[in-house]
Amino acid sequence: GQQLNQSPQSMFIQEGEDVSMNCTSSSIFNTWLWYKQDPGEGPVLLIALYKAGELTSNGRLTAQFGITRKDSFLNISASIPSDVGIYFCAGQPYSGAGSYQLTFGKGTKLSVIP
Amino acid sequence: DAGVIQSPRHEVTEMGQEVTLRCKPISGHNSLFWYRQTMMRGLELLIYFNNNVPIDDSGMPEDRFSAKMPNASFSTLKIQPSEPRDSAVYFCASSFGGRGYTFGSGTRLTVV
Repeated sequence: GQQLNQSPQSMFIQEGEDVSMNCTSSSIFNTWLWYKQDPGEGPVLLIALYKAGELTSNGRLTAQFGITRKDSFLNISASIPSDVGIYFCAGQPYSGAGSYQLTFGKGTKLSVIP
Repeated sequence: DAGVIQSPRHEVTEMGQEVTLRCKPISGHNSLFWYRQTMMRGLELLIYFNNNVPIDDSGMPEDRFSAKMPNASFSTLKIQPSEPRDSAVYFCASSFGGRGYTFGSGTRLTVV
């Protein structure tokens, strides 16, 4: 099945710094999603990307759908303490009509030092 | 909208007991997914339904696991008999045509 490689696994940054994380896949995806998970909660959707090359922003977050359809990155600008959490990328392969399952990366654990 | 609602939030049970997890998807969503999250394996898809019909259950670990979706607003994931290695957080998610993919808050299952 598809494999998603997400990096880095963890990062410690100073408040105010920018953050970048990415995901690569061995196969093509039609949709890329980025989620954030806080302790004890389910993943919350941050950004959804539906077209190759698409660049989308949501406040301080920016994500891009790679041209090859095999990668995506997420940037967070001017980090703040509430950005702490685990960030997951997820890809939705095209496997036929009605096939919408997601494959998840292992996550990037972000720690922000005030 | 209340989002995807899962119950219970926490479940502690003894090995061998039956466990039933419940999920109410977002109204109007036609796809429902059950995931399991562990430290070792991350988020894994167990099974998903389209229009209440199971489409892919290849992620269900063993015959001890079963899932049903009797109507568009309710689904269950059952483990019988439960084992300690089933301890994990189980998430339900729903979407409409692959869009608006939303997760519930999860059920933390501990089997002792």
